[in-house]
Amino acid sequence: SQTIHQWPATLVQPVGSPLSLECTVEGTSNPNLYWYRQAAGRGLQLLFYSVGIGQISSEVPQNLSASRPQDRQFILSSKKLLLSDSGFYLCALAEALGYEQYFGPGTRLTVT
Amino acid sequence: KNQVEQSPQSLIILEGKNCTLQCNYTVSPFSNLRWYKQDTGRGPVSLTIMTFSENTKSNGRYTATLDADTKQSSLHITASQLSDSASYICVVSAKSSASKIIFGSGTRLSIRP
Repeated sequence: SQTIHQWPATLVQPVGSPLSLECTVEGTSNPNLYWYRQAAGRGLQLLFYSVGIGQISSEVPQNLSASRPQDRQFILSSKKLLLSDSGFYLCALAEALGYEQYFGPGTRLTVT
Repeated sequence: KNQVEQSPQSLIILEGKNCTLQCNYTVSPFSNLRWYKQDTGRGPVSLTIMTFSENTKSNGRYTATLDADTKQSSLHITASQLSDSASYICVVSAKSSASKIIFGSGTRLSIRP
C-alpha cells in the first residue's frame, strides 16, 4: 500500500526566509502528486500538482513553487515567506486521474 | 463555477446519537464524490468514494448517499462515538482533469459524552 512521508511536521519561520518542504511516497510508481494548503478553519486549496518527473502545474498565483526531481519526490519551496503563507500543508498522491487521493500527515507552517 | 458546499458548518451531538451531513455540488462533468474524515492536525482519510452510477456506499457506521440528478450527497453516521469528532470533507472530482478536484470547507463534528 502507498505511504506518504512529509517533513518536517511543524515549522516556524520568519517572514522573508526561504522554505523547503519535502514529500516522498512509497508503494507506488508514477503517481500524480499534489500540494495543498489548508488555512485555519478553511477547506483545502490545491497549490500544485504533478503528473510526472519535472511536470508541475500551478493552480493559484503565489510566491511558492514546486519541483518533482524524482518520481516519488515532490518539493514545495519559497524564496521569501510571507505571513499569509502560514497554514497546514498537505501532500497527496493518486494512482491516476480521477482515482482516490491519499494524504500525508501534513506540515504545520507558522510564519512569524 | 465548480463549487462544493457543505452544511452544517459545525455540529455538536451526544455520544450514541445519529447525524447526517450534507454536501451540494456544481462540479461538471462529474467523475466521483468522496467523503474524508480529518482529525485535527492530521491529513484527511478517505471514508467513501462514489461514482455517477452509485447512490449509496457504507463503511462501518458511515453511510454515504449520492443523488447525481440533484447533485447532492449526504454522510450519515450511526451510533456516534467520541472518536468520530473530526472534520468531514466532501470532495468532488471532474472528469479528465488532474486538477479539478474541488474540496468543500468541511463540517466540524463534535461528539459530547
